[in-house]
Amino acid sequence: GENVEQHPSTLSVQEGDSAVIKCTYSDSASNYFPWYKQELGKRPQLIIDIRSNVGEKKDQRIAVTLNKTAKHFSLHITETQPEDSAVYFCAASSGEASKIIFGSGTRLSIRP
Amino acid sequence: DAGVIQSPRHEVTEMGQEVTLRCKPISGHNSLFWYRQTMMRGLELLIYFNNNVPIDDSGMPEDRFSAKMPNASFSTLKIQPSEPRDSAVYFCASSQGTGNTIYFGEGSWLTVV
Repeated sequence: GENVEQHPSTLSVQEGDSAVIKCTYSDSASNYFPWYKQELGKRPQLIIDIRSNVGEKKDQRIAVTLNKTAKHFSLHITETQPEDSAVYFCAASSGEASKIIFGSGTRLSIRP
Repeated sequence: DAGVIQSPRHEVTEMGQEVTLRCKPISGHNSLFWYRQTMMRGLELLIYFNNNVPIDDSGMPEDRFSAKMPNASFSTLKIQPSEPRDSAVYFCASSQGTGNTIYFGEGSWLTVV
């Protein structure tokens, strides 16, 4: 089955700097890669996603890149702000299986 | 839309008691997922349903756990008997179709003492 690995587990960056979180997946059939943000005591919420027919996607300060050959994808947050502090999860899904497997999460802290 | 609705939001129970968690998916969604979140193990997929049919329950930890989806608008996750190591946040999530965005409920915070 699918296995998703996520690094780093914790990340601290200065406000205004960029943050990068990386994930790898094992199932070459996976074709949907969402990213979720979870604030303390809240539910995970989708912030951006990418499908296997696209190499990069941007939404304001957030971007995701996908390398299908290497089976890895990354989340990039630019111009970080205090409200970006949260736990971020990557995930992978094989459309046919309709099963979304999450990485272990990255706790991002933004230093003022 | 009200989103995915879970109940109870919080439950404290004694070891050995039966626990039933409930979920109402978003109307029109045909896939439903139960996840468990702990500090040690992160977000684990326990079981998921497609069109009310259990597709994969390989994540269910043991026979004490069972899940049902009697209709498109309701699912339960039952733990019997409960143990302290079952303490976690249990999330229900739903999606429309396969390989699409899943939306989480607010979670059921379970503490077994």
